[in-house]
Amino acid sequence: AQSVTQLDSQVPVFEEAPVELRCNYSSSVSVYLFWYVQYPNQGLQLLLKYLSGSTLVESINGFEAEFNKSQTSFHLRKPSVHISDTAEYFCAVSDSSGNTPLVFGKGTRLSVIA
Amino acid sequence: NAGVTQTPKFRVLKTGQSMTLLCAQDMNHEYMYWYRQDPGMGLRLIHYSVGEGTTAKGEVPDGYNVSRLKKQNFLLGLESAAPSQTSVYFCASKDRERGANVLTFGAGSRLTVL
Repeated sequence: AQSVTQLDSQVPVFEEAPVELRCNYSSSVSVYLFWYVQYPNQGLQLLLKYLSGSTLVESINGFEAEFNKSQTSFHLRKPSVHISDTAEYFCAVSDSSGNTPLVFGKGTRLSVIA
Repeated sequence: NAGVTQTPKFRVLKTGQSMTLLCAQDMNHEYMYWYRQDPGMGLRLIHYSVGEGTTAKGEVPDGYNVSRLKKQNFLLGLESAAPSQTSVYFCASKDRERGANVLTFGAGSRLTVL
């Protein structure tokens, strides 16, 4: 079975500052890794995913995450945040069959301060 | 193309009452899921289905039942509601062949049990 630990429950950051949201996972088999974002009063939507290949993956709105197998991590980064990035971010893991249900972390609430 | 639609969006129940949450998807997805979201707990899987007529238990199935009589619908039932079931419930779906674990989420159903 897989598990996910998001090390920070809340991260306040000033606008245009860089941010890193930390995620560590545990698994005895190969994994798929995901970041989902939840804007206020909405459902979750996929931000980015690692399935295979390049360990650095990017989203269309400037976020990136790097799969680090040796450290079992998949931290999310953005070099300069905007007010509109205020949301809750969930790291998730599944085995690499892609057919077992996703396991989510407890979430990190990112608050961007003007 | 509506994606995943959940009804109702809000509901207040008294302890012991029963109700059903409906999830409908129009993407012809094979897999469907019910999660609950609680503060500080992230998303926890209640039940899921890998195809019409099949269901399976997730992490927190007690007190809930589900049915998948039609491919496009996944129903979540509470036979005797308890205050501990106060939560926001999310339905999600994915395509078996191309989905990896990329889920499409509904907007959520907020349930309060008094």
